[in-house]
Amino acid sequence: GAGVSQTPSNKVTEKGKYVELRCDPISGHTALYWYRQSLGQGPEFLIYFQGTGAADDSGLPNDRFFAVRPEGSVSTLKIQRTERGDSAVYLCASSRGLGAGTGELFFGEGSRLTVL
Amino acid sequence: GQQLNQSPQSMFIQEGEDVSMNCTSSSIFNTWLWYKQEPGEGPVLLIALYKAGELTSNGRLTAQFGITRKDSFLNISASIPSDVGIYFCAGQRLNDYKLSFGAGTTVTVRA
Repeated sequence: GAGVSQTPSNKVTEKGKYVELRCDPISGHTALYWYRQSLGQGPEFLIYFQGTGAADDSGLPNDRFFAVRPEGSVSTLKIQRTERGDSAVYLCASSRGLGAGTGELFFGEGSRLTVL
Repeated sequence: GQQLNQSPQSMFIQEGEDVSMNCTSSSIFNTWLWYKQEPGEGPVLLIALYKAGELTSNGRLTAQFGITRKDSFLNISASIPSDVGIYFCAGQRLNDYKLSFGAGTTVTVRA
């Protein structure tokens, strides 16, 4: 489809394992964002890419979290040594990038991560 | 944590009613946005506001950017069953790309 695509839609893992979550943004969107949404809360910012570079990673909670976007399109969020507190829905969003309207985000359906 | 305070936390609507919700912040935002999220989906943009005092409509939805730049409200007129969902306000600061979201207002149809 033409929207933001995220895989997997659901991921169950054990504490201490490594996980990767993938995001395929809308074609032509230069800006890509990762947000995390816990139950009953609004999305919380994790990291923002403009092209290939992470322009703002101030929302990453600690160094177990890392994200890449090597070719300026698809992005992967990587979580090492998962903890139960990492359980949440991880939302990816894209936008047209610079200029007015940068807050007008198109979100994917999210990847629900459960750490047992 | 959430920087924006949304109220009410939840509301029950009857078809045909007008409903109103608001969002306040202790700090200024240069852009206010309202998103709606349905179960299993990501948030979808409803309205974006760029100027203090601005009043913008999108169908039965009307939103206003408060003149202090610290608040915004969203009205839904003549509500219909498909209006159920969670409504989030979001604020964006000048020269910043990230959004700060409220905790949401959950709208449910009254049985």
